[in-house]
Amino acid sequence: GQNIDQPTEMTATEGAIVQINCTYQTSGFNGLFWYQQHAGEAPTFLSYNVLDGLEEKGRFSSFLSRSKGYRYLLLKELQMKDSASYLCAGMDSNYQLIWGAGTKLIIKP
Amino acid sequence: ETGVTQTPRHLVMGMTNKKSLKCEQHLGHNAMYWYKQSAKKPLELMFVYSLEERVENNSVPSRFSPECPNSSHLFLHLHTLQPEDSALYLCASSQSTGTGSEKLFFGSGTQLSVL
Repeated sequence: GQNIDQPTEMTATEGAIVQINCTYQTSGFNGLFWYQQHAGEAPTFLSYNVLDGLEEKGRFSSFLSRSKGYRYLLLKELQMKDSASYLCAGMDSNYQLIWGAGTKLIIKP
Repeated sequence: ETGVTQTPRHLVMGMTNKKSLKCEQHLGHNAMYWYKQSAKKPLELMFVYSLEERVENNSVPSRFSPECPNSSHLFLHLHTLQPEDSALYLCASSQSTGTGSEKLFFGSGTQLSVL
């Protein structure tokens, strides 16, 4: 079956770096997405990767390795406002999104 | 005005009630979606509309009935719900469906409690 795995919860310190991993098993592959969701708010798009490698957007970077079915989201210089859930989603060969359960990131001062 | 607006934000209903959730998108998109989000579970896709035509129905119980009168509006009609239907219901839109890089724009959701 198709599956996306990511840690349930992570804790990090303000100003530090945190890596949120996402492993996937999908039938075919048409890219991976990251969304950020603050409590009580709408999920918002962070990144989309379909090719291997690292993509950087300011303090956020996303990495993909298709051969290893491995991907992570890297957040640098953490701020309190980064406390949120981070949703990983893989797109299969039918362009269907397979979602992970999300990683709740807690930032401490 | 935000891109995707959902009303109401919160809804409490009994199992015999009938209610409707409303979603409106101001982005000129052609596709709209209903998702169910339960605590610590992946998003569950319920319905997909493309150009006002339902293109996907993921084995959703008939007590949930979607309606898409035009490409900007989407409704979810609820009747005789069960307590296990309590969840956050998210509406989303995208420019189209069936392409790889299509990103979703979500509303803030309706937090539904069924008593």
